[in-house]
Amino acid sequence: AQSVAQPEDQVNVAEGNPLTVKCTYSVSGNPYLFWYVQYPNRGLQFLLKYITGDNLVKGSYGFEAEFNKSQTSFHLKKPSALVSDSALYFCAVRVYGNNRLAFGKGNQVVVIP
Amino acid sequence: SAVISQKPSRDICQRGTSLTIQCQVDSQVTMMFWYRQQPGQSLTLIATANQGSEATYESGFVIDKFPISRPNLTFSTLTVSNMSPEDSSIYLCSVGSGDEQFFGPGTRLTVL
Repeated sequence: AQSVAQPEDQVNVAEGNPLTVKCTYSVSGNPYLFWYVQYPNRGLQFLLKYITGDNLVKGSYGFEAEFNKSQTSFHLKKPSALVSDSALYFCAVRVYGNNRLAFGKGNQVVVIP
Repeated sequence: SAVISQKPSRDICQRGTSLTIQCQVDSQVTMMFWYRQQPGQSLTLIATANQGSEATYESGFVIDKFPISRPNLTFSTLTVSNMSPEDSSIYLCSVGSGDEQFFGPGTRLTVL
């Protein structure tokens, strides 16, 4: 079975500081990893994905994530957080040949002006 | 990417009634998915709906409670039947496109 852990409930960061949202995963096989963001009263928006290739992937709105196979992690990062980055962030995983996405519980990010 | 719309965007319903949620995609897609997001929770997959075949339900979800239609490659409906307050959630439609899944804006359902 595939699963995702997002260990923190809420991440608080001052505007302009680096932002990190943690994600670890468990799968049988090679993982396809995703980050989504959900703003209040809106659906999920795709941020970035890792399928294969370079371990550092860049996505929308200045976000990036690093795939670490040995630590089974895919942490989301942004060098300088904005107040507008305050939202709910979900990590998700699936494996090749299986379209069922498993989501983490989500992390609320609060960027403090 | 795919553009997905859902109707209604929100509704308040009485227990014991049923609500049908519509999902429309701007392009033809093979796989469509229905998720539930309960208050303060993550997303849980209800079922996978492929055109021309019966929907495949995840553990804990049954067709009698959540019947799904998939009449063509751009449209699907999810019905929440015989609703109870525990069904109050956001219901999201999703489509697979290449390696990715894209999500609709969701339907916020409140059952009184």
